Amino acid sequence: DTEVTQTPKHLVMGMTNKKSLKCEQHMGHRAMYWYKQKAKKPPELMFVYSYEKLSINESVPSRFSPECPNSSLLNLHLHALQPEDSALYLCASSHPTSGSYEQYFGPGTRLTVT
Amino acid sequence: AQSVTQPDIHITVSEGASLELRCNYSYGATPYLFWYVQSPGQGLQLLLKYFSGDTLVQGIKGFEAEFKRSQSSFNLRKPSVHWSDAAEYFCAVGRPYNTDKLIFGTGTRLQVFP
Repeated sequence: DTEVTQTPKHLVMGMTNKKSLKCEQHMGHRAMYWYKQKAKKPPELMFVYSYEKLSINESVPSRFSPECPNSSLLNLHLHALQPEDSALYLCASSHPTSGSYEQYFGPGTRLTVT
Repeated sequence: AQSVTQPDIHITVSEGASLELRCNYSYGATPYLFWYVQSPGQGLQLLLKYFSGDTLVQGIKGFEAEFKRSQSSFNLRKPSVHWSDAAEYFCAVGRPYNTDKLIFGTGTRLQVFP
């Protein structure tokens, strides 16, 4: 099973709201990723968690706050977003210590900030 | 600087025709190489990968890719395209043994006519 699940599929939020995106994988992968993808563009890396610790933050604004409660779950907490933050947010996972360097992506959450 | 170039922004083929999508990279050493496909509004699905060994790799959905070190290329091919292959295709490269930071190409949009 190479499935990464993401909820919700769609999210509309105002600029003063607080919301969270959720990602889950049950493949035993120890690295998990958040990406942002704008229309007609490739994904842009935001955060990487390795063994539940934040290992990479690509200078993402603090209105995005990641959290990795356990090895299967990854959250992205959103607060005071801007309209330009509207995008497809993708989660991915991989298991490099097992020699599996490819990243498996979830279906994404389509976020609209109004 | 490390980069990935997909020279063709948009390709149109007839169903049943052969397909080749180009990918060239600039990297200090031989990177790990990936092809992903993305249907509209969906996540990325891994088609195939190359780490080492046989330079012709087979993937899912009848796709194959050939790594050519001398040309710094990793072109994706399919002998007979199906209408369901219409999607966005991304080539990506990563550092050997640490693919947390994938470098994506800008993508090639494939349109298939009946």
